[in-house]
Amino acid sequence: ETGVTQTPRHLVMGMTNKKSLKCEQHLGHNAMYWYKQSAKKPLELMFVYNFKEQTENNSVPSRFSPECPNSSHLFLHLHTLQPEDSALYLCASSPAVNSNQPQHFGDGTRLSIL
Amino acid sequence: GQQLNQSPQSMFIQEGEDVSMNCTSSSIFNTWLWYKQEPGEGPVLLIALYKAGELTSNGRLTAQFGITRKDSFLNISASIPSDVGIYFCAGQNTGTASKLTFGTGTRLQVTL
Repeated sequence: ETGVTQTPRHLVMGMTNKKSLKCEQHLGHNAMYWYKQSAKKPLELMFVYNFKEQTENNSVPSRFSPECPNSSHLFLHLHTLQPEDSALYLCASSPAVNSNQPQHFGDGTRLSIL
Repeated sequence: GQQLNQSPQSMFIQEGEDVSMNCTSSSIFNTWLWYKQEPGEGPVLLIALYKAGELTSNGRLTAQFGITRKDSFLNISASIPSDVGIYFCAGQNTGTASKLTFGTGTRLQVTL
């Protein structure tokens, strides 16, 4: 399933670097999400966008900065990350926030902080 | 935050065996979802359940939405090696669709 595409697939960065994760969905959805997946923990919702507007920030540190220029694209800008931020970052999309239609996930970016 | 209890945490089975796993919650949901995640990939939706008591199949997979709306079950019949992966349940309520609550996952290993 390639409806949600994430790049890069792998990223290694130092704590002082600035990098960005990209997500693109080809499903015609209007809601997009960022999740963090750490080992042995349930998926953690980070941010939600609905029709390009941020509707949820789940107490995420400011070193993570999302951007949603349109309903098809979502970015996560990273700056001054910590080693505990190493994880798999997953993007998802759904038709809209207030619907019971399932979210569809990308394959994630595996992030390692040195 | 709220969490779903998923069991078992892991399973080692032989090819051809049937598999059962379940997910329980302290609160009700009006939608239950089951996802599978393979190494290096994101979760892939397997089955979506929208009504209490609903039983839905997708090939060898069958899932049920518990009558109490606080639990769900996934069964896999006649397992094959490509069933290997982590299976996640997720609960969702209309109106707060962004609030997908995920289970902790069941890791399935299939031996020949």
